[in-house]
Formats: sequence, C-alpha cells, structure tokens
Amino acid sequence: EAGVAQSPRYKIIEKRQSVAFWCNPISGHATLYWYQQILGQGPKLLIQFQNNGVVDDSQLPKDRFSAERLKGVDSTLKIQPAKLEDSAVYLCASSPGTGRQPQHFGDGTRLSIL
Amino acid sequence: AQSVTQLDSQVPVFEEAPVELRCNYSSSVSVYLFWYVQYPNQGLQLLLKYLSGSTLVKGINGFEAEFNKSQTSFHLRKPSVHISDTAEYFCAVRPEGQGGKLIFGQGTELSVKP
Repeated sequence: EAGVAQSPRYKIIEKRQSVAFWCNPISGHATLYWYQQILGQGPKLLIQFQNNGVVDDSQLPKDRFSAERLKGVDSTLKIQPAKLEDSAVYLCASSPGTGRQPQHFGDGTRLSIL
Repeated sequence: AQSVTQLDSQVPVFEEAPVELRCNYSSSVSVYLFWYVQYPNQGLQLLLKYLSGSTLVKGINGFEAEFNKSQTSFHLRKPSVHISDTAEYFCAVRPEGQGGKLIFGQGTELSVKP
C-alpha cells in the first residue's frame, strides 16, 4: 500500500511570511495527525483529526497555525505569520482509528525560517 | 499527564556489539508503548509495540524490548548491531482513552562504528 505522502519536502521562508504543508494519508485511514519535531527533540502533537473533525488541537498555536482536513482525506497545515521558532520538521501521520493500531508517518517537511 | 524519558541522548557502539537504549515513562493511566526509528531525512518507522500480553516483544531488524510495569520502563535491545542501525530512536507512549496521540521521548542517537 502507498504510504503517507507529504509535500513539499523542504521549504525556506523569511519570518513573517506564510507557508502551507500538504498531507495525503494512507487510503482508508480515518485518523490524521500533525506533529512538530524541533531539532534535537521528539515529535510533539499539534493537531489530530478523526475524519474531518478535530479531536485534539490543545497544543496548536492558534494565533498563527491553522489546519483543515476537507472531505476527511487530505489535510493542510498553515503557518501565518511564521516566526523563527517555527523552524522544524512537520510530520504527518495516519492510522485506521484511535485504538491499538500504530501510526504511519510520512517523510516530513523541513521548514527553515530565515 | 504523561511523560517519556530516554536516559541516553547518544549511544556509541562498535559493530556486532550488543546495545540497550533505555526508556522510562510516567503516566496516571494505562499506556501502549512503542519504539520508532528515524533515519536521516526520513519519517518515523515503527520498530515494535507493546499493547498487552507477553512483556517481551520482538520487532523488525532484530530488535526486541521488554515492558517492566513496576519500573515503568520499556528498554530496547539488540544482541548484535550493524552499521545500518545508525539512526535516531524514539520511545513513545499512547495513553488509553485519550484519542490515540503519541507522546515521544527526546530520542537517542545510536552511532555504530566499524
């Protein structure tokens, strides 16, 4: 089966600009996650969708970050305006549900803020 | 609240030597336990998981881990490492009944030298 697809792989922007990332989960996976991985740290959950509804966005900086999952399939994560501390790898993961099934990760988008 | 502590940030080891990567967790609820591996510029790949049953679990690439409930630990082991095992390893917990999110440790960089 095809894995989780993310694009772009790399993005360089200046602070205060906006940026968007795209994720296509594994076909049939109802649950989609966005994680932020800062250099030298483990991934941290930003937002979780179940189909097209938000389950958990408690750690999403809502003044600058937004995410949507239209039609319960693809998802986009947006940052506007970007700050220097947003430099990180943004990982998308999906799973069939929220039970015991493991999450499958994409290769991530590496964001550099100048 | 839950937290995961990986006790070693870096582990250098010679090829064909055994290795243990240590992981401790703290949680007020039951958790599922996972180990993921991350190769440079790639996403996370599941090595193994503990959901229930036997406390010794075997994963891919010859890795195994043992769940110790009394010590709240989930250490990862391999009896003989290869150069290709050089990567970042992450321990993670998924609290039961909290929607499926993963909470990660800070990671352990395993460096296998010839």
